[in-house]
Amino acid sequence: AQSVTQPDIHITVSEGASLELRCNYSYGATPYLFWYVQSPGQGLQLLLKYFSGDTLVQGIKGFEAEFKRSQSSFNLRKPSVHWSDAAEYFCAVGRLGGADGLTFGKGTHLIIQP
Amino acid sequence: GAVVSQHPSWVICKSGTSVKIECRSLDFQATTMFWYRQFPKQSLMLMATSNEGSKATYEQGVEKDKFLINHASLTLSTLTVTSAHPEDSSFYICSARVAGASHGEQFFGPGTRLTVL
Repeated sequence: AQSVTQPDIHITVSEGASLELRCNYSYGATPYLFWYVQSPGQGLQLLLKYFSGDTLVQGIKGFEAEFKRSQSSFNLRKPSVHWSDAAEYFCAVGRLGGADGLTFGKGTHLIIQP
Repeated sequence: GAVVSQHPSWVICKSGTSVKIECRSLDFQATTMFWYRQFPKQSLMLMATSNEGSKATYEQGVEKDKFLINHASLTLSTLTVTSAHPEDSSFYICSARVAGASHGEQFFGPGTRLTVL
């Protein structure tokens, strides 16, 4: 069975600083990987996804993630965070091209300091 | 585009009653919808996969007689929590997969907060 680990429960970053959120996955085949953001009262919004091809994936809101098969990682990065980035971030892995339900990590709560 | 709505957004009910939650894809057809459950400060856990016109597939440990799922049309799936108890209090989130999409990106609803007294 697949699993996703987000080792950081909380991360605090100063506004304007760079950000990296860690995600490690366990899956027997080529994974389909996703990063979602959840703000209070909002549904989960897809930031980016990796299915195949270029291992550096660009997403919305200036986010990017890099798939590293050798490390079973899919870390999310942003060069300069904004106060509006404060939210809960979830990494997820899907089976069958994402046609099946997703397995989520426990999430990382991002706090932005002024 | 690709908006998923849920109704109600929050509900409070008495123990022993049943509650129905609706999940609608507003601007696309969804042959497959998924139901997740999220406890406070926890991750989302897949409960079941709902396919239009067929029986839902439940994840291990999820009681199918307690969580009734109906996917009667390409834009609507419902989750009914039967004989609800306080331990069923949670945040229920649905997602919908675009019919015919080559890669199964899922679009999520805003969730329904259920509190059972």
